[in-house]
Amino acid sequence: EAQVTQNPRYLITVTGKKLTVTCSQNMNHEYMSWYRQDPGLGLRQIYYSMNVEVTDKGDVPEGYKVSRKEKRNFPLILESPSPNQTSLYFCASSLMALGPYNSPLHFGNGTRLTVT
Amino acid sequence: KNEVEQSPQNLTAQEGEFITINCSYSVGISALHWLQQHPGGGIVSLFMLSSGKKKHGRLIATINIQEKHSSLHITASHPRDSAVYICAVLDSNYQLIWGAGTKLIIKP
Repeated sequence: EAQVTQNPRYLITVTGKKLTVTCSQNMNHEYMSWYRQDPGLGLRQIYYSMNVEVTDKGDVPEGYKVSRKEKRNFPLILESPSPNQTSLYFCASSLMALGPYNSPLHFGNGTRLTVT
Repeated sequence: KNEVEQSPQNLTAQEGEFITINCSYSVGISALHWLQQHPGGGIVSLFMLSSGKKKHGRLIATINIQEKHSSLHITASHPRDSAVYICAVLDSNYQLIWGAGTKLIIKP
């Protein structure tokens, strides 16, 4: 089944403890992206990638890192999480390098992160 | 002022009613997306359009580029249509600008 898989679905952690949220797609998509969703603010882009080894900052990249060593995987890394990073996170992918310009986005099920 | 504004923010209707959700934007765009976020949180792409009209089942999306406006219509609404509907526009830098969403509740 074609899908974007995010793990974990729920994560509670403490300030400063490094964590990684994984994202994997099995559709051979070129474009992948991370978003956070906070009440009243809608979706905000953290980082995106147009292909392997190509990553770019979105609107809110501070405090996050990503890597795209393989086409299918696009992990989100929080080196030193802080409470203001408590949020609902979504990974998304799209077939073409220009992503949402010429093909729809496919979303993972989300990761609800709580940092205490 | 937000570059993408959706209206209404919240909408409650009875089953069977015709639903319209609006999206207005202030930037030049190359594409517009409509997405649905289920109560459980999952997000599904409904439409991607750059002109005219698209239809999928009971859902219809229209866009007027000159007026910088798009509408999402749901015919014969059903409680399972209850969700948050999100509009996002792709600007000239190929970046998505997201609306805040419209929360739709359809009562049986």
